[in-house]
Amino acid sequence: QQKVQQSPESLIVPEGGMASLNCTSSDRNVDYFWWYRQHSGKSPKMLMSIFSNGEKEEGRFTVHLNKASLHTSLHIRDSQPSDSALYLCAAASNSAGNKLTFGIGTRVLVRP
Amino acid sequence: EAAVTQSPRNKVTVTGGNVTLSCRQTNSHNYMYWYRQDTGHGLRLIHYSYGAGNLQIGDVPDGYKATRTTQEDFFLLLELASPSQTSLYFCASSGTGNYAEQFFGPGTRLTVL
Repeated sequence: QQKVQQSPESLIVPEGGMASLNCTSSDRNVDYFWWYRQHSGKSPKMLMSIFSNGEKEEGRFTVHLNKASLHTSLHIRDSQPSDSALYLCAAASNSAGNKLTFGIGTRVLVRP
Repeated sequence: EAAVTQSPRNKVTVTGGNVTLSCRQTNSHNYMYWYRQDTGHGLRLIHYSYGAGNLQIGDVPDGYKATRTTQEDFFLLLELASPSQTSLYFCASSGTGNYAEQFFGPGTRLTVL
């Protein structure tokens, strides 16, 4: 059983549309979430991180966190073909130090 | 932008063979990590280190050894490679601090025949 569950597994979004990705941790010690983006054939690169309840926005990307339910979501508005990638959610806890636990990822395809 | 390099980028070996994957970071980061990425499993942590001579066990360590010789260099050793170790291997580094961002290298694709 993955400690970090992501949904959906894959998503097709029209260009200009909104993509919504979900991530939940089953580890009650988790208090920090990361979103990484991995383009095909490339390495993961950090997109956004969040540790406070609420919302954080950077350009077309918005991250939400509900600490009580250990659920985070990533929303991409005005999706572009360059947003087509594997999106990885990772969770960290104070007790685990610098260790991250990654989910399997959500594959996003933006159709022109 | 943090710089992490890996070598080789591709490697083919046979079952029972010896393989060493190399990673170097030039950002004065204390932490370095080895992950493997497989379809259906995501990124899984093999070993990590917080300084030269230090080694911490990750989540999937069986069949792997690692050694951190300097602050810059971290090696992953497969002494008796098996087909189940065919995977894409990523090295990463981060600064100190519980929530420091991890920067990934370009990856090494390993095939064990």
